[in-house]
Amino acid sequence: AAGVIQSPRHLIKEKRETATLKCYPIPRHDTVYWYQQGPGQDPQFLISFYEKMQSDKGSIPDRFSAQQFSDYHSELNMSSLELGDSALYFCASSALMVSGELFFGEGSRLTVL
Amino acid sequence: AQSVSQHNHHVILSEAASLELGCNYSYGGTVNLFWYVQYPGQHLQLLLKYFSGDPLVKGIKGFEAEFIKSKFSFNLRKPSVQWSDTAEYFCAAAVSGTYKYIFGTGTRLKVLA
Repeated sequence: AAGVIQSPRHLIKEKRETATLKCYPIPRHDTVYWYQQGPGQDPQFLISFYEKMQSDKGSIPDRFSAQQFSDYHSELNMSSLELGDSALYFCASSALMVSGELFFGEGSRLTVL
Repeated sequence: AQSVSQHNHHVILSEAASLELGCNYSYGGTVNLFWYVQYPGQHLQLLLKYFSGDPLVKGIKGFEAEFIKSKFSFNLRKPSVQWSDTAEYFCAAAVSGTYKYIFGTGTRLKVLA
């Protein structure tokens, strides 16, 4: 069965650079969530989208932005990267109003040097 | 504000011991409840979920959870843990009819062989 696809799986950037992470949800899923998980920490909710509109916002820094496109894939853009942005970024998708379950991708590991 | 609390942050058990991880949520309306597991180096996976009906739900790998509405609790149990159950366990609540999906802070379980 198709799963949530995230790319790239690993990314290394310098401070003050920009990074873009992509998430391709499971077909027919209409909701996408982004989470940030720092080393040894719990996933922190960043932002979510339903039908291409932002549905909820968590602790997403102003330097970050995200959107969901017409094909339902989502991109998380991170600018002016800081060392503290080094983390595993998870995307999850759901047919939320149908099943309620989140399906998580493998994550994109960002390292900021 | 809605929240999910997990009381045990670290649990260490020997193989064959019984497990119970606490989870409480704070929300007066209808919530759907979930337990996710994150094995070392992997993404979150669903263990079990409760939407309605029988308050005792059974999930994968011998896990079960009981929804007690009067206590706002959804504790996870397993009669006999295995070394392979070493992982971090997250309780989550989705507020019915919304896009809010709230995770608890997680419980790290270490099972000693």
